[in-house]
Amino acid sequence: DIQMTQSPSSLSASVGDRVTITCQASQDISNYLNWYQQKPGKAPKLLIYDASNLETGVPSRFSGSGSGTDFTFTISSLQPEDIATYYCQQYDNLPRRTFGQGTKLEIK
Amino acid sequence: QVQLQESGPGLVKPSQTLSLTCTVSGGSISSGSYYWSWIRQPAGKGLEWIGRIYASGSTNYNPSLKSRVTISVDTSKNQFSLKLSSVTAADTAVYYCARDTSFDYYDSSGYKTPYAFDIWGQGTMVTVSS
Repeated sequence: DIQMTQSPSSLSASVGDRVTITCQASQDISNYLNWYQQKPGKAPKLLIYDASNLETGVPSRFSGSGSGTDFTFTISSLQPEDIATYYCQQYDNLPRRTFGQGTKLEIK
Repeated sequence: QVQLQESGPGLVKPSQTLSLTCTVSGGSISSGSYYWSWIRQPAGKGLEWIGRIYASGSTNYNPSLKSRVTISVDTSKNQFSLKLSSVTAADTAVYYCARDTSFDYYDSSGYKTPYAFDIWGQGTMVTVSS
């Protein structure tokens, strides 16, 4: 099994702050990594695929980078509507996909 | 656009079988190179992929649940379904159905084919309790 470890588990930041979340895979997954946003009581929403590609319609303040085992998700300027839990998800060993444990983002 | 909607009992007794259906609207379950997946999320916890099905009926399951899971498809109704047998309290969760998509794009290093869950249902809460 490929394990995905996110840090931090929770994060408090102010509107306008730059926010960074990391995701580490237990083995090399190339760039086979997606990022999702889940707002309270809602289903997850795909934001980024293949580590760094923005899904259509997703604001450009969201970005991703990394390859191999270490990945980063960044919000360049935090907005109130970005309050959510963010998950990374690998697809290196298809068909099985595994998710990180999530990072809960709150407004300070 | 394509929408997914889960349905089924919200309460299941321990040792019984959990049964859920996902109805696809706004598009055919048979069109495109899509798989259709089930994913669950226990309260306050992360996401777990359960399994997926293609319109042809071809399935893949999470090894950790494989002995208890059956996913089926009814193309005439544009639906796919989940059955999870011998449930316990550990199976209490929000269950989501999702479109499991792949597509091609080209970048500086060539053609790529990512795989992602791009459309999700709203989720349905299932509680296992006597």
